[in-house]
Amino acid sequence: QVQLQESGPGLVKPSQTLSLTCTVSGGSISSGSYYWSWIRQPAGKGLEWIGRIYTSGSTNYNPSLKSRVTISVDTSKNQFSLKLSSVTAADTAVYYCARQWLSFDPWGQGTLVTVSS
Amino acid sequence: QSVLTQPPSVSGAPGQRVTISCTGSSSNIGAGYDVHWYQQLPGTAPKLLIYGNSNRPSGVPDRFSGSKSGTSASLAISGLQAEDEADYYCQSYDSSLSGYVFGTGTKVTVL
Repeated sequence: QVQLQESGPGLVKPSQTLSLTCTVSGGSISSGSYYWSWIRQPAGKGLEWIGRIYTSGSTNYNPSLKSRVTISVDTSKNQFSLKLSSVTAADTAVYYCARQWLSFDPWGQGTLVTVSS
Repeated sequence: QSVLTQPPSVSGAPGQRVTISCTGSSSNIGAGYDVHWYQQLPGTAPKLLIYGNSNRPSGVPDRFSGSKSGTSASLAISGLQAEDEADYYCQSYDSSLSGYVFGTGTKVTVL
């Protein structure tokens, strides 16, 4: 059974770059026709899709975040990563990684990232 | 601002049936894109509840059912139980936004 786990700094300063990694276990990130996505949720608010990557390296990003987002994959480590640049307080949220085929399933447990000086 | 609109809250007594609507437009649900539903228990990550409009993943009770018509979709919970208290989100694809979108979310309360 595939499981995902987010990791990275919980505190990022304004204007800096947020960096998170999602480690996939229980299966190869390269197997099957899956995309690997990042989704975020500010406290008490709804879900926002950030973007996704295929193991070939092909990416799709939310147009509202596209100028600041980079998603990459490292198949040798069974990981994919998120970089969000020029962060502000509005980027404070729980960040989730998820596998995507028709839908997002499964999800990681999420990691809280706070943007503050 | 989400393009998929859900009621902020619904409630029902144990054993009752409740429904949650998800209203979209011609660029998402109305364009034929699938709708998926997620359950988010307090303090946890969302969990897939319904995929492809009306399909339940293995392990999801048949008390949960989904449907889609026109520019809207619905999630029904029959035989409501205390453990169903959670936030529920619909999700689809929007061609105008060129991305995946979630509903505004609905909090289900069991009275």
